[in-house]
Amino acid sequence: GAGVSQSPRYKVAKRGQDVALRCDPISGHVSLFWYQQALGQGPEFLTYFQNEAQLDKSGLPSDRFFAERPEGSVSTLKIQRTQQEDSAVYLCASSLGWESNEKLFFGSGTQLSVL
Amino acid sequence: GQQVMQIPQYQHVQEGEDFTTYCNSSTTLSNIQWYKQRPGGHPVFLIQLVKSGEVKKQKRLTFQFGEAKKNSSLHITATQTTDVGTYFCAGYDYKLSFGAGTTVTVRA
Repeated sequence: GAGVSQSPRYKVAKRGQDVALRCDPISGHVSLFWYQQALGQGPEFLTYFQNEAQLDKSGLPSDRFFAERPEGSVSTLKIQRTQQEDSAVYLCASSLGWESNEKLFFGSGTQLSVL
Repeated sequence: GQQVMQIPQYQHVQEGEDFTTYCNSSTTLSNIQWYKQRPGGHPVFLIQLVKSGEVKKQKRLTFQFGEAKKNSSLHITATQTTDVGTYFCAGYDYKLSFGAGTTVTVRA
């Protein structure tokens, strides 16, 4: 596609509900990142994939958060038993290669509200 | 771990004026990137600095990387209403870490 696509754009969940957020990166992009952005804050790193391999998950806040990219393309971020503190915008970004000088292309994000 | 700090958090500027926003890292960075996020939008890449002391310009925007590769600045001249948004620096140590951003508003 022309850019990074994320769905849904908005998600309202009841506390305790499981949610799944989808990211469709730019075709051919090797690297995929998930970031969490709270209101008025910068994006906080969650996890990083190089193709299908999850190379860094150090930013995942708890074991309720799980991400996968099974075929090295589409990725899903799953949050189990959502809590109010999980409310944020979840941004997905991709880059062409895996070098440190790659620029990131961000999707429009999924705004998650946990009630 | 690496922390990237940005100041000021908010910058309210009269149209036509200049301003500078600063970015400081607790560790030496291999490179630094700047992104702009318009209200309601997502971060969009502006520029990357790699070399110590590097200066790059994009029209009215001037980006600088410090000699020690631990700080950076963005200077905007003759601010316009199109400059409204939040400017993030992001430092690469072993992963790209973003600062909290400088949110710029412009009064006409």
